[in-house]
Amino acid sequence: TQLLEQSPQFLSIQEGENLTVYCNSSSVFSSLQWYRQEPGEGPVLLVTVVTGGEVKKLKRLTFQFGDARKDSSLHITAAQPGDTGLYLCAGADTNAGKSTFGDGTTLTVKP
Amino acid sequence: DTGVSQDPRHKITKRGQNVTFRCDPISEHNRLYWYRQTLGQGPEFLTYFQNEAQLEKSRLLSDRFSAERPKGSFSTLEIQRTEQGDSAMYLCASSLSQGAYEQYFGPGTRLTVT
Repeated sequence: TQLLEQSPQFLSIQEGENLTVYCNSSSVFSSLQWYRQEPGEGPVLLVTVVTGGEVKKLKRLTFQFGDARKDSSLHITAAQPGDTGLYLCAGADTNAGKSTFGDGTTLTVKP
Repeated sequence: DTGVSQDPRHKITKRGQNVTFRCDPISEHNRLYWYRQTLGQGPEFLTYFQNEAQLEKSRLLSDRFSAERPKGSFSTLEIQRTEQGDSAMYLCASSLSQGAYEQYFGPGTRLTVT
């Protein structure tokens, strides 16, 4: 079973601060997705990273895939209250045809 | 296309009753997944279909759970003889069967078993 560990589990910061959350595994993934989920709703896909070392930017969010395709990070610059939510990473196994999810990082950005 | 839809959004049932949930995937997606999520946890894989074929079912899934996708379009998830431990959010997602398997989720069905 492929496991994904996300850290920290909870993060509470003030508006305007920067933060980084992590997604780590001992397994290699063919691709990795990041999602944001708000209470009572389904996860919303933010980005997919495929190549080891890949960096993708989505406005104030920067996603990086580790060189060995076992880990990833999400960095948010100048966090805003609208960034509040549960951030999930999911590693895709091409052979298995499905993804494994981490337990997420719950981010709270206070105004 | 309006994305993945699920019905109902909320379901309250008494222990021992049967419940059925429906998921309508994105029309061009041939893969459909069911997950269960409890508070503070990530989605837990239950089963997935490629077209009408159920390709994998979690070993954690009891025999009380069954899923179908009869025509390769919408899917249903049935829970028989519900237990309080079945209370959770049930999520459906769909994807293509190639590439990075990016999954698009529906809004979920919140099940409460009393």
